[in-house]
Amino acid sequence: DVKVTQSSRYLVKRTGEKVFLECVQDMDHENMFWYRQDPGLGLRLIYFSYDVKMKEKGDIPEGYSVSREKKERFSLILESASTNQTSMYLCASNGASWGPRDEQYFGPGTRLTVT
Amino acid sequence: DQQVKQNSPSLSVQEGRISILNCDYTNSMFDYFLWYKKYPAEGPTFLISISSIKDKNEDGRFTVFLNKSAKHLSLHIVPSQPGDSAVYFCAASSSFGGGATNKLIFGTGTLLAVQP
Repeated sequence: DVKVTQSSRYLVKRTGEKVFLECVQDMDHENMFWYRQDPGLGLRLIYFSYDVKMKEKGDIPEGYSVSREKKERFSLILESASTNQTSMYLCASNGASWGPRDEQYFGPGTRLTVT
Repeated sequence: DQQVKQNSPSLSVQEGRISILNCDYTNSMFDYFLWYKKYPAEGPTFLISISSIKDKNEDGRFTVFLNKSAKHLSLHIVPSQPGDSAVYFCAASSSFGGGATNKLIFGTGTLLAVQP
């Protein structure tokens, strides 16, 4: 079974803090993704990566950055957390060679609260 | 601009009856569609998909129908079970453009409640 794990299920941070969300997958997938889920807005893509050290902006990259130093690990960084970044963050991966043609496998999510 | 729309935020059906979840899209370049199910405090899990070369795909109790002319797809669950109660997201992607541009665009989700 594909397993995607996220470092924390719940996280509370203060405004202005730098926040790191970690995601690890164990299926040697090329592609990894970060989404946020908000009520009434569905899942919105923040960033994705199709190879080590490669990244592309999604639909809402502002205020975020990412890092992919190893194939199995994809980190989302909030440079200076703000209250409007309070959300559920979901990591996903898949093994398609050219983008997400195949199903994506999701981690359990990290509920981030910024106070 | 919401390219994938699920206009019903919630749906309630009786156990054993059919559940029909709807999804509309605006981008005619979308050629692959997926449905995901999400329970609270869990990540979404893949349910079923359909390519634009088909108009129907079936997997057990789940069937997805695609009407390209109407830019509409629907997920039918027959018979519905209480364990099907979850949020359902439809998603779409396009193979045009190639490479790493094949993002999944998700709808806003529909909360399905199956009453025993």
